[in-house]
Amino acid sequence: EVQLVESGGGLVQPGGSLRLSCAASGFTFSSYWMHWVRQAPGKGLVWVSRINSDGSSTSYADSVKGRFTISRDNAKNTLYLQMNSLRAEDTAVYYCARDDFNYWGQGTLVTVSS
Amino acid sequence: DIQMTQSPSAMSASVGDRVTITCRASQGISNYLAWFQQKPGKVPKRLIYASSSLQSGVPSRFSGSGSGTEFTLTISSLQPEDFATYYCLQHNSYPHTFGGGTKVEIK
Repeated sequence: EVQLVESGGGLVQPGGSLRLSCAASGFTFSSYWMHWVRQAPGKGLVWVSRINSDGSSTSYADSVKGRFTISRDNAKNTLYLQMNSLRAEDTAVYYCARDDFNYWGQGTLVTVSS
Repeated sequence: DIQMTQSPSAMSASVGDRVTITCRASQGISNYLAWFQQKPGKVPKRLIYASSSLQSGVPSRFSGSGSGTEFTLTISSLQPEDFATYYCLQHNSYPHTFGGGTKVEIK
């Protein structure tokens, strides 16, 4: 059974940093591109970032470019999102998703507030 | 960047109604379009991929069509469990973009 489990969310002050993790199981993680998608409270889905299967190529939404870094450790079957210079508007549930978007994690809430 | 304009943003419908939701892309995306259903507090669920392919396990009352810039999700006979928010997603190019969502409510 495919499982994606996010962790690392929480409350952080504006300007702070946080690293999210997404632990994958039930499929060959190293063969799939992966994505992060976020959803602010009461709002719609927003694509954030993607990484290719070996981690050599990444893409970002303009709103996070230069502040967020996606990475992966295929030996640990884990996807990461390093979030720096956090802003109030980054407050959201963050989901990891497999490249087909058929599998999503349960999400982890990031709240940026003083 | 490709913009996805989804309409309507909300609608009221009755059980048994035929429901149509549209997504228009600001430029051609071939058939790189998926549809998702999301219920409150839940994870998005993929219904349709490649514009018109039905995800395994999804009821056949859901269907998708379109190519290029205009796409449609149709629910042929709305059921009580279908009241939810629906999103389209273009994955033809980066950044990927979601439509703004359509909330389907009970009339």
